[in-house]
Amino acid sequence: DTEVTQTPKHLVMGMTNKKSLKCEQHMGHRAMYWYKQKAKKPPELMFVYSYEKLSINESVPSRFSPECPNSSLLNLHLHALQPEDSALYLCASSQGDGRGYEQYFGPGTRLTVT
Amino acid sequence: DQQVKQNSPSLSVQEGRISILNCDYTNSMFDYFLWYKKYPAEGPTFLISISSIKDKNEDGRFTVFLNKSAKHLSLHIVPSQPGDSAVYFCAASKGNTGNQFYFGTGTSLTVIP
Repeated sequence: DTEVTQTPKHLVMGMTNKKSLKCEQHMGHRAMYWYKQKAKKPPELMFVYSYEKLSINESVPSRFSPECPNSSLLNLHLHALQPEDSALYLCASSQGDGRGYEQYFGPGTRLTVT
Repeated sequence: DQQVKQNSPSLSVQEGRISILNCDYTNSMFDYFLWYKKYPAEGPTFLISISSIKDKNEDGRFTVFLNKSAKHLSLHIVPSQPGDSAVYFCAASKGNTGNQFYFGTGTSLTVIP
């Protein structure tokens, strides 16, 4: 199984809502990532979890809150988002957290904030 | 500031010919480079990588060339097939943050049958 799954595929939320994005992998990977991708822009790294501990936070606003309940699951909790947060949110995983490990990406969650 | 650049947003190539996708980077600390391929409604898929100790890496129809002095890499696909039509991203990382990739903006390749 070389798949990273993400739910939901699409999400529309208001600025006062609280929602969560979910990512799952069963490849035994020990590093997991959240990226944000706006239209016609490259994916931008948001968070990295390594062995279930947050290792990188790319100065992401606190309205995005990541959580790694176990080595297979990664959540992104959303609260009080702004319309400019509308984007494709990609989850990825890799076998290790060092160089040389390619990242496997999920299909993404298309988020629209109204 | 974009540290990895793909200056051609799109490229069209006839089936059977060579496709050449280009990528430039500005950070001389980058020492590991990857190419990803993305189909619509799917996440990026890893294609091929190269370390800065090499100047070429080949995998089947795909070859990546690295020119460190020019801070330039290219992906060659030969022969191109219609199934290769996708968006291609190059990405780079530096040794001390090995899993932190910086992506280019992507090049949309269309292979015409």
